Amino acid sequence: DAKTTQPPSMDCAEGRAANLPCNHSTISGNEYVYWYRQIHSQGPQYIIHGLKNNETNEMASLIITEDRKSSTLILPHATLRDTAVYYCIVRVAKEVGDYKLSFGAGTTVTVRA
Amino acid sequence: DTGVSQDPRHKITKRGQNVTFRCDPISEHNRLYWYRQTLGQGPEFLTYFQNEAQLEKSRLLSDRFSAERPKGSFSTLEIQRTEQGDSAMYLCASSPGTQKGETQYFGPGTRLLVL
Repeated sequence: DAKTTQPPSMDCAEGRAANLPCNHSTISGNEYVYWYRQIHSQGPQYIIHGLKNNETNEMASLIITEDRKSSTLILPHATLRDTAVYYCIVRVAKEVGDYKLSFGAGTTVTVRA
Repeated sequence: DTGVSQDPRHKITKRGQNVTFRCDPISEHNRLYWYRQTLGQGPEFLTYFQNEAQLEKSRLLSDRFSAERPKGSFSTLEIQRTEQGDSAMYLCASSPGTQKGETQYFGPGTRLLVL
């Protein structure tokens, strides 16, 4: 699976949009971009994933560049409860042996009042 | 709550003791995964089940570790002769097992401290 690069930390203001970047310059055509987050002392929580097109759900939006070498997770109105470590993961979807997620160090996002 | 559950949530043990953790996946999820997370790091894959079959084991899973999923429902992870280096959060995740590229849903984890 392709490696991802994320900034180690970022701050954002409560109520403002939080834009979390992720670089995955070696991504292959059959690799998805997944985002998870982990609030302190909890298990990782799935946020969103995409292949080529931009995606939106009730939690966030995922913007993938046309060349697919980078993506941005957007939390539209950050709240204090969004303070967490955010992981960008690139993985191949296989028919057989579709398993492990390879987590990096992620981005520690702190939402400030 | 119909999410992934893990028991116990916390475990303190002395070096050399055996410990066993349990994971109950989301109902009817065929795939079950175990991960380990040490302080300040992201989770690392340990092993994976498709129904009752253990299909993949990471090199992190030493001979002291054994995982089972006897009836394809809940799973147990046992660590024998625990060492201080085993101190970590042990996470379980599950997915439906019907499609490729499935989302994995994680439980709250079991935090192990080996004294």
